[in-house]
Amino acid sequence: GAGVSQSPSNKVTEKGKDVELRCDPISGHTALYWYRQSLGQGLEFLIYFQGNSAPDKSGLPSDRFSAERTGGSVSTLTIQRTQQEDSAVYLCASSLDVFVRGYTFGSGTRLTVV
Amino acid sequence: AQKVTQAQTEISVVEKEDVTLDCVYETRDTTYYLFWYKQPPSGELVFLIRRNSFDEQNEISGRYSWNFQKSTSSFNFTITASQVVDSAVYFCALSEDGGTSYGKLTFGQGTILTVHP
Repeated sequence: GAGVSQSPSNKVTEKGKDVELRCDPISGHTALYWYRQSLGQGLEFLIYFQGNSAPDKSGLPSDRFSAERTGGSVSTLTIQRTQQEDSAVYLCASSLDVFVRGYTFGSGTRLTVV
Repeated sequence: AQKVTQAQTEISVVEKEDVTLDCVYETRDTTYYLFWYKQPPSGELVFLIRRNSFDEQNEISGRYSWNFQKSTSSFNFTITASQVVDSAVYFCALSEDGGTSYGKLTFGQGTILTVHP
């Protein structure tokens, strides 16, 4: 596609439920990154993929968070047993590869846990 | 560990004023990349500039200019003759070239710029 697409754009969920956030990167981009933007913490790195592999998961805040990428394309970020502190905007970015440093960001998914 | 500091949390100016957004970074790498992004109210992060650590030339793009000084680990951003449409949150970010986190961006806390008519 022309840009990075994220869905849903907004998600309200009840505490304790699981949620899945989707990212469609730009076609041909092998590197994909997830970030979280919250009021208290700013923009935090969560995980990145090179192809379908995730060499760095160091930013995932707990084992309730997981992500996968299939076919070197779409990525899904899953949050299990959501907590109120998970409320944030989740941003996805893609780059041609990890060395190019040309990131394009999606518009994000705003997650609200009530 | 890498770190980016944007000391100015909020800046308010009147249209046509010049404004400089400060960014100071910390890294142990000799090769790294610096970025500025704009986040308008719509929420999407818009790329403004990328600089690598070997290129200390200042850059000007229209009303925007950037001053990169390795000696002070700073990468400041100036908007000349600001306009209301410049109102946004501006983020400075750093990407190191070593380790397993190729391409990982570390962001500053952001500076909220408000330009009043």
